[in-house]
Amino acid sequence: GAVVSQHPSWVICKSGTSVKIECRSLDFQATTMFWYRQFPKQSLMLMATSNEGSKATYEQGVEKDKFLINHASLTLSTLTVTSAHPEDSSFYICSANSGTTDTQYFGPGTRLTVL
Amino acid sequence: DQQVKQNSPSLSVQEGRISILNCDYTNSMFDYFLWYKKYPAEGPTFLISISSIKDKNEDGRFTVFLNKSAKHLSLHIVPSQPGDSAVYFCAAGPGTGGGADGLTFGKGTHLIIQP
Repeated sequence: GAVVSQHPSWVICKSGTSVKIECRSLDFQATTMFWYRQFPKQSLMLMATSNEGSKATYEQGVEKDKFLINHASLTLSTLTVTSAHPEDSSFYICSANSGTTDTQYFGPGTRLTVL
Repeated sequence: DQQVKQNSPSLSVQEGRISILNCDYTNSMFDYFLWYKKYPAEGPTFLISISSIKDKNEDGRFTVFLNKSAKHLSLHIVPSQPGDSAVYFCAAGPGTGGGADGLTFGKGTHLIIQP
């Protein structure tokens, strides 16, 4: 149980384009989903928290207009990196929580490379 | 300002022996602690968690100890197996019980199990 998937697993795009990453909870309904980012040899950093049907809450320093988050259903959240630039290249990982405990289950991550 | 610290970037342990990974935190609001195992280019895999009302939680070969007064926790793996070689992340959150809050991660400890 508690399986979270992400798609795509990797993506390469040109500077200035937008990229959408999907996060799905496969065997449970996720009250809350989270988006993290990990740069090489760094820790995972929380970007934003999203609850189904409401606006996402962004961490300090994360541009909400650049990283658009939509939590359309209890099993799907999307992160769109708009007008991507090379400095946005990173490993993006989502997690989901069922709302019954504090444990978060993570997806496999998406490697974004912006040329 | 790192709120969750893993001061050992790497740890080498012989197969069959005990692996002890340490984690310190500074935020008194943290009430829920988790350990994740991670391979490169993959999402973290949940291992074990503990809430602040306990000082020990055990699951098979994994035991987490929490010393709240010292703001310190540790993960014990015994006996260590080659498949345990990975990066281990300590994470903490306010532990609201409903999983509504993101986690703060340490920088990780690379555990190497030697045959």
